[in-house]
Amino acid sequence: ETGVTQTPRHLVMGMTNKKSLKCEQHLGHNAMYWYKQSAKKPLELMFVYNFKEQTENNSVPSRFSPECPNSSHLFLHLHTLQPEDSALYLCASSQMSGSPSYEQYFGPGTRLTVT
Amino acid sequence: GQNIDQPTEMTATEGAIVQINCTYQTSGFNGLFWYQQHAGEAPTFLSYNVLDGLEEKGRFSSFLSRSKGYSYLLLKELQMKDSASYLCAVRDSNYQLIWGAGTKLIIKP
Repeated sequence: ETGVTQTPRHLVMGMTNKKSLKCEQHLGHNAMYWYKQSAKKPLELMFVYNFKEQTENNSVPSRFSPECPNSSHLFLHLHTLQPEDSALYLCASSQMSGSPSYEQYFGPGTRLTVT
Repeated sequence: GQNIDQPTEMTATEGAIVQINCTYQTSGFNGLFWYQQHAGEAPTFLSYNVLDGLEEKGRFSSFLSRSKGYSYLLLKELQMKDSASYLCAVRDSNYQLIWGAGTKLIIKP
């Protein structure tokens, strides 16, 4: 247990569906992140939030829409996804995204399959 | 562009020592991290290096040479539970983490 939880753990959705991924951290951190992890590829940073404000958006397609209602919760809303979006989506948190030594704590991820 | 290189897969024997290398080319440097990720689980933090030299934590050690853009993770007295992927990540001048693709370590009895 890392103090970061994600739901659901597995999700299968069609290309026309709308779904949301949820992340919650119980560590008192103020930065939260969404990553995409595909097999044999580096982790791809998608979004960063500091104190509920989005500070990074790494050219992510608009079919992925993040939401951060407070420092403890992070959502990723999905709509009209493509099969190449199938991957493990990881949520992480840390003290602050701009602090050099603070490590990130990861949730177990949501395994997403787009059919 | 920014790049982190590490071997895709390594195999070692239980009880032995293994060294996993990581080389990087990034815009600036603000520290290097090693994470461990068991299959189907979250990556977990192992070590952080920002100055040259060796950091030791029990059976695991991490080394950094900033001038060479090089780090390694050394695992001693290998146990079966050490079978996992090991991820190298560098924090660049914008404090963004740049990740390697990970090294899958297979431990054989």
